[in-house]
Amino acid sequence: GDSVTQTEGLVTLTEGLPVMLNCTYQSTYSPFLFWYVQHLNEAPKLLLKSFTDNKRPEHQGFHATLHKSSSSFHLQKSSAQLSDSALYYCALSDNYNQGKLIFGQGTKLSIKP
Amino acid sequence: AQTIHQWPVAEIKAVGSPLSLGCTIKGKSSPNLYWYWQATGGTLQQLFYSITVGQVESVVQLNLSASRPKDDQFILSTEKLLLSHSGFYLCAWSLGGETLYFGSGTRLTVL
Repeated sequence: GDSVTQTEGLVTLTEGLPVMLNCTYQSTYSPFLFWYVQHLNEAPKLLLKSFTDNKRPEHQGFHATLHKSSSSFHLQKSSAQLSDSALYYCALSDNYNQGKLIFGQGTKLSIKP
Repeated sequence: AQTIHQWPVAEIKAVGSPLSLGCTIKGKSSPNLYWYWQATGGTLQQLFYSITVGQVESVVQLNLSASRPKDDQFILSTEKLLLSHSGFYLCAWSLGGETLYFGSGTRLTVL
Protein backbone atom coordinates (compact mmCIF):
# COMPACT_ATOMS: atom_id res chain seq x y z
CA GLY A 1 0.00 0.00 0.00
CA ASP A 2 0.87 3.68 -0.17
CA SER A 3 3.14 5.07 2.51
CA VAL A 4 5.16 8.14 3.44
CA THR A 5 8.40 8.03 5.41
CA GLN A 6 9.98 10.90 7.28
CA THR A 7 13.13 9.54 8.84
CA GLU A 8 13.91 12.43 11.20
CA GLY A 9 11.75 12.91 14.24
CA LEU A 10 13.58 16.03 15.37
CA VAL A 11 15.87 18.40 13.51
CA THR A 12 17.63 21.13 15.48
CA LEU A 13 19.40 23.92 13.61
CA THR A 14 20.94 27.29 14.26
CA GLU A 15 19.22 30.29 12.69
CA GLY A 16 20.63 31.13 9.27
CA LEU A 17 21.68 27.59 8.37
CA PRO A 18 20.04 25.67 5.51
CA VAL A 19 17.13 23.36 6.18
CA MET A 20 16.43 20.00 4.60
CA LEU A 21 13.70 17.69 5.83
CA ASN A 22 13.51 14.27 4.21
CA CYS A 23 10.44 12.66 2.72
CA THR A 24 10.23 9.47 0.69
CA TYR A 25 7.13 7.67 -0.45
CA GLN A 26 5.72 4.51 -1.92
CA SER A 27 2.74 4.65 -4.23
CA THR A 28 1.18 2.41 -6.85
CA TYR A 29 0.12 5.40 -8.94
CA SER A 30 1.51 8.85 -9.69
CA PRO A 31 0.72 10.72 -6.50
CA PHE A 32 0.52 14.31 -5.43
CA LEU A 33 2.91 15.15 -2.61
CA PHE A 34 2.34 17.81 0.01
CA TRP A 35 4.12 19.48 2.88
CA TYR A 36 2.00 20.68 5.78
CA VAL A 37 3.27 22.81 8.66
CA GLN A 38 1.80 22.85 12.15
CA HIS A 39 2.82 25.51 14.62
CA LEU A 40 2.35 24.95 18.33
CA ASN A 41 -1.32 24.69 19.32
CA GLU A 42 -2.51 25.37 15.78
CA ALA A 43 -4.03 23.23 13.05
CA PRO A 44 -1.84 22.03 10.17
CA LYS A 45 -1.70 24.27 7.10
CA LEU A 46 -0.62 23.53 3.58
CA LEU A 47 2.91 24.73 2.87
CA LEU A 48 3.69 23.21 -0.55
CA LYS A 49 2.15 20.92 -3.10
CA SER A 50 3.79 19.13 -6.01
CA PHE A 51 2.85 20.07 -9.55
CA THR A 52 1.97 17.63 -12.30
CA ASP A 53 4.31 19.42 -14.72
CA ASN A 54 7.39 18.99 -12.51
CA LYS A 55 7.63 22.68 -11.62
CA ARG A 56 9.22 23.29 -8.25
CA PRO A 57 6.72 24.65 -5.73
CA GLU A 58 7.91 27.44 -3.45
CA HIS A 59 6.33 29.19 -0.49
CA GLN A 60 7.67 31.30 2.35
CA GLY A 61 11.23 30.55 1.25
CA PHE A 62 10.64 26.79 1.30
CA HIS A 63 10.80 24.64 -1.79
CA ALA A 64 10.57 20.96 -2.60
CA THR A 65 11.30 18.94 -5.72
CA LEU A 66 9.44 15.79 -6.61
CA HIS A 67 11.93 13.16 -7.78
CA LYS A 68 10.02 10.21 -9.14
CA SER A 69 13.18 8.21 -9.73
CA SER A 70 13.99 8.22 -6.03
CA SER A 71 10.38 8.63 -4.77
CA SER A 72 11.35 11.67 -2.75
CA PHE A 73 9.94 15.12 -1.99
CA HIS A 74 12.45 16.68 0.40
CA LEU A 75 11.69 20.10 1.88
CA GLN A 76 14.43 22.73 1.69
CA LYS A 77 15.11 26.30 2.70
CA SER A 78 18.36 28.17 2.24
CA SER A 79 18.33 30.00 5.56
CA ALA A 80 16.35 28.98 8.65
CA GLN A 81 14.43 31.54 10.70
CA LEU A 82 13.30 31.25 14.31
CA SER A 83 9.68 31.37 13.13
CA ASP A 84 10.23 28.20 11.09
CA SER A 85 10.16 26.16 14.30
CA ALA A 86 7.18 23.85 13.88
CA LEU A 87 6.06 20.33 13.06
CA TYR A 88 6.32 19.47 9.37
CA TYR A 89 4.34 16.68 7.74
CA CYS A 90 4.89 15.18 4.34
CA ALA A 91 1.73 13.71 2.81
CA LEU A 92 0.64 11.79 -0.24
CA SER A 93 -2.56 11.66 -2.21
CA ASP A 94 -3.40 9.81 -5.39
CA ASN A 95 -6.50 10.34 -7.49
CA TYR A 96 -7.25 6.63 -7.58
CA ASN A 97 -7.59 6.36 -3.83
CA GLN A 98 -10.05 9.17 -3.37
CA GLY A 99 -10.53 10.29 0.17
CA LYS A 100 -7.20 9.16 1.53
CA LEU A 101 -4.39 11.53 2.33
CA ILE A 102 -1.53 9.65 3.92
CA PHE A 103 0.72 11.52 6.31
CA GLY A 104 4.26 10.73 7.36
CA GLN A 105 5.22 10.63 11.02
CA GLY A 106 6.19 14.29 11.03
CA THR A 107 9.47 16.07 11.69
CA LYS A 108 9.81 18.60 14.44
CA LEU A 109 12.03 21.46 13.32
CA SER A 110 13.59 23.48 16.13
CA ILE A 111 15.54 26.61 15.21
CA LYS A 112 17.91 28.07 17.82
CA PRO A 113 19.27 31.63 17.84
CA ALA B 1 -14.95 32.05 0.71
CA GLN B 2 -14.91 28.65 2.33
CA THR B 3 -15.02 28.39 6.09
CA ILE B 4 -14.69 25.39 8.36
CA HIS B 5 -15.96 25.56 11.91
CA GLN B 6 -15.35 22.99 14.60
CA TRP B 7 -17.05 22.74 17.93
CA PRO B 8 -16.39 22.71 20.79
CA VAL B 9 -12.94 24.26 20.98
CA ALA B 10 -12.09 22.14 24.01
CA GLU B 11 -13.72 19.49 26.17
CA ILE B 12 -12.91 17.87 29.48
CA LYS B 13 -14.88 14.65 29.91
CA ALA B 14 -14.99 11.71 32.26
CA VAL B 15 -14.09 8.16 31.22
CA GLY B 16 -17.24 6.34 30.16
CA SER B 17 -19.15 9.46 29.23
CA PRO B 18 -20.47 10.13 25.71
CA LEU B 19 -18.90 12.54 23.24
CA SER B 20 -20.03 14.43 20.20
CA LEU B 21 -17.76 16.70 18.15
CA GLY B 22 -19.01 18.67 15.20
CA CYS B 23 -17.70 20.24 12.05
CA THR B 24 -19.43 22.48 9.50
CA ILE B 25 -18.11 23.59 6.12
CA LYS B 26 -19.59 26.58 4.38
CA GLY B 27 -18.97 27.80 0.87
CA LYS B 28 -18.18 24.45 -0.77
CA SER B 29 -20.60 22.01 -2.30
CA SER B 30 -20.05 18.28 -1.75
CA PRO B 31 -16.58 18.41 -0.25
CA ASN B 32 -14.67 15.37 0.95
CA LEU B 33 -14.68 15.49 4.73
CA TYR B 34 -12.19 13.98 7.15
CA TRP B 35 -11.61 13.43 10.85
CA TYR B 36 -8.04 13.27 12.08
CA TRP B 37 -6.72 12.61 15.56
CA GLN B 38 -3.43 13.65 17.06
CA ALA B 39 -2.24 12.38 20.42
CA THR B 40 -0.20 14.88 22.41
CA GLY B 41 3.20 14.97 20.74
CA GLY B 42 2.02 12.45 18.15
CA THR B 43 1.41 12.35 14.43
CA LEU B 44 -1.79 12.90 12.47
CA GLN B 45 -3.92 9.80 12.20
CA GLN B 46 -6.85 9.69 9.83
CA LEU B 47 -9.96 8.31 11.52
CA PHE B 48 -12.78 8.69 8.99
CA TYR B 49 -13.54 10.19 5.65
CA SER B 50 -16.67 10.87 3.69
CA ILE B 51 -17.11 11.74 0.04
CA THR B 52 -20.87 12.14 0.14
CA VAL B 53 -23.81 12.58 2.50
CA GLY B 54 -24.66 9.46 4.45
CA GLN B 55 -21.47 7.62 3.51
CA VAL B 56 -18.57 7.39 5.92
CA GLU B 57 -15.49 5.21 5.62
CA SER B 58 -13.57 4.17 8.71
CA VAL B 59 -9.80 4.19 8.48
CA VAL B 60 -8.86 3.31 12.05
CA GLN B 61 -11.03 1.71 14.69
CA LEU B 62 -10.71 3.59 17.96
CA ASN B 63 -14.18 2.94 19.41
CA LEU B 64 -15.39 6.07 17.65
CA SER B 65 -18.02 6.59 15.00
CA ALA B 66 -18.71 9.30 12.47
CA SER B 67 -21.73 10.44 10.53
CA ARG B 68 -22.46 12.90 7.77
CA PRO B 69 -26.11 13.90 8.19
CA LYS B 70 -25.87 16.86 5.82
CA ASP B 71 -23.58 17.80 2.94
CA ASP B 72 -21.83 20.40 5.05
CA GLN B 73 -21.76 18.63 8.42
CA PHE B 74 -19.53 15.91 9.87
CA ILE B 75 -20.02 14.50 13.36
CA LEU B 76 -17.61 12.41 15.45
CA SER B 77 -19.02 10.58 18.44
CA THR B 78 -18.76 7.78 20.93
CA GLU B 79 -21.03 6.49 23.67
CA LYS B 80 -18.19 5.69 26.06
CA LEU B 81 -14.97 7.61 26.22
CA LEU B 82 -11.66 5.97 27.05
CA LEU B 83 -8.57 7.62 28.49
CA SER B 84 -6.84 6.90 25.17
CA HIS B 85 -9.30 9.16 23.37
CA SER B 86 -7.56 12.23 24.73
CA GLY B 87 -5.91 14.36 22.09
CA PHE B 88 -6.50 16.89 19.37
CA TYR B 89 -9.30 16.21 16.90
CA LEU B 90 -9.17 17.89 13.54
CA CYS B 91 -11.84 18.11 10.90
CA ALA B 92 -10.76 18.83 7.34
CA TRP B 93 -12.16 19.18 3.85
CA SER B 94 -10.84 18.77 0.35
CA LEU B 95 -12.03 18.50 -3.22
CA GLY B 96 -11.17 15.23 -4.88
CA GLY B 97 -8.44 14.20 -2.46
CA GLU B 98 -6.14 17.13 -3.16
CA THR B 99 -5.24 19.92 -0.76
CA LEU B 100 -6.59 19.43 2.73
CA TYR B 101 -7.96 22.39 4.71
CA PHE B 102 -8.12 21.87 8.44
CA GLY B 103 -10.39 23.35 11.04
CA SER B 104 -8.96 24.82 14.22
CA GLY B 105 -9.48 21.59 16.12
CA THR B 106 -10.98 20.36 19.37
CA ARG B 107 -8.73 19.56 22.28
CA LEU B 108 -10.20 16.66 24.26
CA THR B 109 -9.06 15.68 27.73
CA VAL B 110 -10.49 12.49 29.20
CA LEU B 111 -10.08 12.07 32.95
